[in-house]
Formats: sequence, C-alpha cells, structure tokens
Amino acid sequence: DGGITQSPKYLFRKEGQNVTLSCEQNLNHDAMYWYRQDPGQGLRLIYYSQIVNDFQKGDIAEGYSVSREKKESFPLTVTSAQKNPTAFYLCASQAGGGGVSNEKLFFGSGTQLSVL
Amino acid sequence: GQSLEQPSEVTAVEGAIVQINCTYQTSGFYGLSWYQQHDGGAPTFLSYNALDGLEETGRFSSFLSRSDSYGYLLLQELQMKDSASYFCAVKAEAAGNKLTFGGGTRVLVKP
Repeated sequence: DGGITQSPKYLFRKEGQNVTLSCEQNLNHDAMYWYRQDPGQGLRLIYYSQIVNDFQKGDIAEGYSVSREKKESFPLTVTSAQKNPTAFYLCASQAGGGGVSNEKLFFGSGTQLSVL
Repeated sequence: GQSLEQPSEVTAVEGAIVQINCTYQTSGFYGLSWYQQHDGGAPTFLSYNALDGLEETGRFSSFLSRSDSYGYLLLQELQMKDSASYFCAVKAEAAGNKLTFGGGTRVLVKP
C-alpha cells in the first residue's frame, strides 16, 4: 500500500541533544513538508521541499534542519537550539502538477516529541 | 500577513447539521482546503475550493465566496465518528503558494 510513514511515534529528547524524526513516502510525490502542531492549535510549517536536494524554510524553521537526498525521504532534525521542542510533528507529501486532485496533502501519523 | 479565523469548538447531537465558518485575509488567494483530524491522528483531506460555490461530497459539503473571503464546511447527518478537529487552510501567493492552516474547530458530537 502506498503511503507516508513517520517514525518513531514517540520520542524523548534530553536537554542539549539533537534528535531526528524520520519521514518516508512511497507515493512518488515530489513535494514534502514538515509541520509542527501544539496542543489545541493549527499546523505551522517548519520546512518544505519541492524537489530532491532542495528545500526551503517555512514559518518556524529556527532550531530545525532537514535534508532531501532521496525523493522518498525527508528527515527532520530538532537541534539543541530549539528551546521549546515539545510538540506533535507531522510530515506530509503532495503530488506535483496542477489540478484539484494535486492540492491534497497526505499526512503521516505523526511523532510526539517530548523533553525529558 | 495572513490570518484565518474559525470557531474553536462546536457541539451538536447525532443527526444534526453543523456549519464551520472560516474567514481569511491574504493576498493572491488560490483556494481553500478543509482537513479532518481525530485526536492524536493524522489530518485527512476533505475538500478544496478554488471557485465560488458549493462542493458536495457525501455528507460533507464545502462552500467558498472569494469576494467575501469566506468559506464554510457543512457536516450533515452527524455521526459520533465525526467528533474531530476540522481545519481550514488557505493556499495563497502571500505564503509562496503553500498552505496556511487555521487554528482548528473541535466538533463534539453527542448522542
């Protein structure tokens, strides 16, 4: 089955530690996104990538880094510079091209990151 | 900048109809999307409106008025499984053609 997979489901970070969240998709989608969701709030864009080896900062990129070495993979690293990392992190992918059907974002099941 | 406003919470009984309004301010508007998210789960796509009017998909319908910068999601024949958060999201040039999400409306369906 095609889909988008995030791991781990739960992650704990110690102070000063970098952690990496995995996101893999087998939908052959060009675009991938990372969102942060705080309790009771909407989704805020961290980083996005529209093509392999290229990515752009979103609205809240400080303290995060990404890579896009393969079309299928878009890992997110939460660095020690991110002082308030506790949140639910969602990865999404989107097919390229126009048309209403390509406006749809496909989301992974998320990673809950907490600080120890 | 951009802004989206939607009510924070709505409560209704099974079988009822609920309308979730979304007003937005942006420039270079392309379209309005709606997503459903159950607690702790992944958002799932419901609809996308680029043109004025009503789009119906089963029990859910979505409406857009570009001139009023307004849209709504209509949930009909409410079922317990419809208890979830619903997010509107705007696609606009002001955000580099990426989606900007509203804060979400939590819908609670009671028996």
